[in-house]
Amino acid sequence: DTAVSQTPKYLVTQMGNDKSIKCEQNLGHDTMYWYKQDSKKFLKIMFSYNNKELIINETVPNRFSPKSPDKAHLNLHINSLELGDSAVYFCASSPLTANTEAFFGQGTRLTVV
Amino acid sequence: AQSVTQPDIHITVSEGASLELRCNYSYGATPYLFWYVQSPGQGLQLLLKYFSGDTLVQGIKGFEAEFKRSQSSFNLRKPSVHWSDAAEYFCAFTGGGNKLTFGTGTQLKVEL
Repeated sequence: DTAVSQTPKYLVTQMGNDKSIKCEQNLGHDTMYWYKQDSKKFLKIMFSYNNKELIINETVPNRFSPKSPDKAHLNLHINSLELGDSAVYFCASSPLTANTEAFFGQGTRLTVV
Repeated sequence: AQSVTQPDIHITVSEGASLELRCNYSYGATPYLFWYVQSPGQGLQLLLKYFSGDTLVQGIKGFEAEFKRSQSSFNLRKPSVHWSDAAEYFCAFTGGGNKLTFGTGTQLKVEL
């Protein structure tokens, strides 16, 4: 039973395309996140949602649009992909209680060519 | 500024040797601290966490970490490293919410 699952695991696309990454969690958590890991392995939060409501938006370009149809799903849509968007994107979830650990998906490696 | 520093980018140890990975934080109050491990091509797995109480915390896979407020540190230790421990290790913290701030990671190599 996968707790946090992302699809696809790998995504190769051309510059200018639009793509989506899907995330689902079956942990019953209220909070979901998107993190970006760059080529130097540095991890930084992009977005956080509580019960479908956007809580954190860390100065991410408008080309990135998260969508949460329900509290178990948080998808990431990226418009007009650029070379610099190449990275590993991690979805995560945590309980609503503050200061708890997050549970991470396996990541989506996005390569823009 | 709130931050986490992992001074060692790479560490190589022999199998069976002891391990200590360093983590220092900068935060005005008591942080909530975590160690995660990322194996190649995998997601992040929580090794252990410190919220309060006993400053020596035990985690999975034989890892432990000690919170030292006076040194603003939360170093990860393992008495005897196994080849399967080779991975990237991240220290992280939260201050007043659920947003995790990560260190830059330490890559552990294990020599057989």
